[in-house]
Amino acid sequence: GAGVSQSPRYKVAKRGQDVALRCDPISGHVSLFWYQQALGQGPEFLTYFQNEAQLDKSGLPSDRFFAERPEGSVSTLKIQRTQQEDSAVYLCASSSGAGPWFGNEQFFGPGTRLTVL
Amino acid sequence: AQSVTQLGSHVSVSEGALVLLRCNYSSSVPPYLFWYVQYPNQGLQLLLKYTSAATLVKGINGFEAEFKKSETSFHLTKPSAHMSDAAEYFCAVSVDSGYALNFGKGTSLLVTP
Repeated sequence: GAGVSQSPRYKVAKRGQDVALRCDPISGHVSLFWYQQALGQGPEFLTYFQNEAQLDKSGLPSDRFFAERPEGSVSTLKIQRTQQEDSAVYLCASSSGAGPWFGNEQFFGPGTRLTVL
Repeated sequence: AQSVTQLGSHVSVSEGALVLLRCNYSSSVPPYLFWYVQYPNQGLQLLLKYTSAATLVKGINGFEAEFKKSETSFHLTKPSAHMSDAAEYFCAVSVDSGYALNFGKGTSLLVTP
C-alpha cells in the first residue's frame, strides 16, 4: 500500500512562471488537503476536497492559486505568475473520512519544495 | 478560532533523558489535538491524537501526551530519548469547520550522545 505521493519533489521557477504541483492520495481516500509550509513554520491550510468537490478554499492566499481534483482522486495545485513569497514546501494530505473529519488521521505526502527565483 | 502555541523552537536533550515538548491550545469548544513528527525531507507522521476519550494518550515510538483542560495544555513526553527521535515536532488543533488543522510553529528536537 503506497502512501501519498507528490511530484515533483523539487521545483525551481522564475518569477512570473506558472507551476503545477501534483498529489496522488491514498487510493480510496475521500478527503484531500493542501497545506503550505514556509521555512521554519508549521503547515498552513490552503484548501480541502471531498471527492471532486472543493468544499473549502479559504486558505488560498490569492487568486493566483488554484486547485482541482476533477475525478476525485489525483489533485493538482496550480500557481500562476509565481512570486518569491510563494517559495515554500507544499504538502498534500489525504484522509479516509468524509465530511467533518474530527479525529480522522490525515496522511501526508513528502511535499514539493518550490523555489521562486 | 482554534490555535496552538508551541513553547521553545529548539529543545536539546541527552540520549536517555526525558523528552518534554510543550503545547498550549486556545479553543472555545472542546478541541481535537494532534502531535505530528516530521523527519528531514519527509512528510508529517501522526504520533498521537486526543479526541475527548482518555486524557492520557499513548502514541507510537513510546510517546505520550496528557490533555489538561485546566492548563489548556497538551504536552508531549517520552521517558527516554533515542537518537532516532531527532526531528521536528508539530502540535495541531482541529478547526471548527473540521476541514483543516491549525499547526504550531514546531519544535526541533536535538538528541545528543
